[in-house]
Amino acid sequence: KAGVTQTPRYLIKTRGQQVTLSCSPISGHRSVSWYQQTPGQGLQFLFEYFSETQRNKGNFPGRFSGRQFSNSRSEMNVSTLELGDSALYLCASRQWAGGTDEQFFGPGTRLTVL
Amino acid sequence: KQEVTQIPAALSVPEGENLVLNCSFTDSAIYNLQWFRQDPGKGLTSLLLIQSSQREQTSGRLNASLDKSSGRSTLYIAASQPGDSATYLCAVFSNSGYALNFGKGTSLLVTP
Repeated sequence: KAGVTQTPRYLIKTRGQQVTLSCSPISGHRSVSWYQQTPGQGLQFLFEYFSETQRNKGNFPGRFSGRQFSNSRSEMNVSTLELGDSALYLCASRQWAGGTDEQFFGPGTRLTVL
Repeated sequence: KQEVTQIPAALSVPEGENLVLNCSFTDSAIYNLQWFRQDPGKGLTSLLLIQSSQREQTSGRLNASLDKSSGRSTLYIAASQPGDSATYLCAVFSNSGYALNFGKGTSLLVTP
């Protein structure tokens, strides 16, 4: 079974632009979560989607948004990019949205904002 | 708010040694705890998942324990190898917040 895939793997943008990242979960998994990883803050939760609905959201500004499609694939959008948005963005999938599920992570998208 | 701490932040050991990585968390109301491995610039690889009702899990040379009441978990790596060099992350899935809360990780270097 294929793992979690993320595209693109690398992105370079300039301040003020917007960006869209994509995540395809493991086949049969219906929950997708997004995390931001920076050297200073470590891994921080952005949001989780299940059955096309946002179930949970972390403490990030409204510039960060996401959605999930009927095939469980998810996209994350960041508008009006700032230098501080440079990070590794990781997507995780799990089969359901219960508390006991193991989470599996993709390889990440490295975003650099210049 | 759940806080997860990992000690030590970095560790260097010679090949063949057994080692223990520590993780502590402040809120014992958790669903589960996961240990991950991250190689430089890569994503996270799940190593072990311990449900809140379990005390330990084993996979090959890895053994993880969980003491929910004291808010502690340990990852034991037996007979370490250079290929074990990576950052090891502990994460708890809390009843509140309903997301993984990560520690800052332990950077492990195993020298030949």
